[in-house]
Amino acid sequence: NAGVTQTPKFRVLKTGQSMTLLCAQDMNHEYMYWYRQDPGMGLRLIHYSVGEGTTAKGEVPDGYNVSRLKKQNFLLGLESAAPSQTSVYFCASSLTGLGVYNEQFFGPGTRLTVL
Amino acid sequence: ELKVEQNPLFLSMQEGKNYTIYCNYSTTSDRLYWYRQDPGKSLESLFVLLSNGAVKQEGRLMASLDTKARLSTLHITAAVHDLSATYFCAVDPNSGFGNEKLTFGTGTRLTIIP
Repeated sequence: NAGVTQTPKFRVLKTGQSMTLLCAQDMNHEYMYWYRQDPGMGLRLIHYSVGEGTTAKGEVPDGYNVSRLKKQNFLLGLESAAPSQTSVYFCASSLTGLGVYNEQFFGPGTRLTVL
Repeated sequence: ELKVEQNPLFLSMQEGKNYTIYCNYSTTSDRLYWYRQDPGKSLESLFVLLSNGAVKQEGRLMASLDTKARLSTLHITAAVHDLSATYFCAVDPNSGFGNEKLTFGTGTRLTIIP
């Protein structure tokens, strides 16, 4: 049981390049999330998904797209990277629903630098 | 809009001392979570508090929830160096239902000095 995994762990991009971050979970969780963490800002929600084929915007969605084609995977895309997207990205998942609490389990993070 | 405030943001304390981290939130909720993050690492779930008056303890850490005051505390007893980390609280605003989003506090960076 690997929990939540993220690929890649580190990446350096040039401004304007694109990339996709992959999140996978093997806990059969319905809900998945992408956050970014910047110094002094805590965690900010980018996008999330409440089930296969569904996605929704979080607090800071601009410049990012997501897809959830399979229940276990949640992809975060940057179409045209900007230096402001330099951050640490965390994926999380939770088993939630009516009457179930939303304890989220986090992946190890991806450190992205945009030059 | 739900706001979650932690204080202090930074805390430096000596080994062996006691201290408390506070998490205040702006809306009714009886579900609150505490996480720990070591430098360069991911977030690890510490405590899940699901009702008013809930108290959970693990080792030198004890968390409590007062939903009427909209306040949770994380108390550290006889601090040791291994507790140095950043601690986050997170609030689920939809009590009794499976809410899809949590709101995180900005974190408290705790440093234990020998």
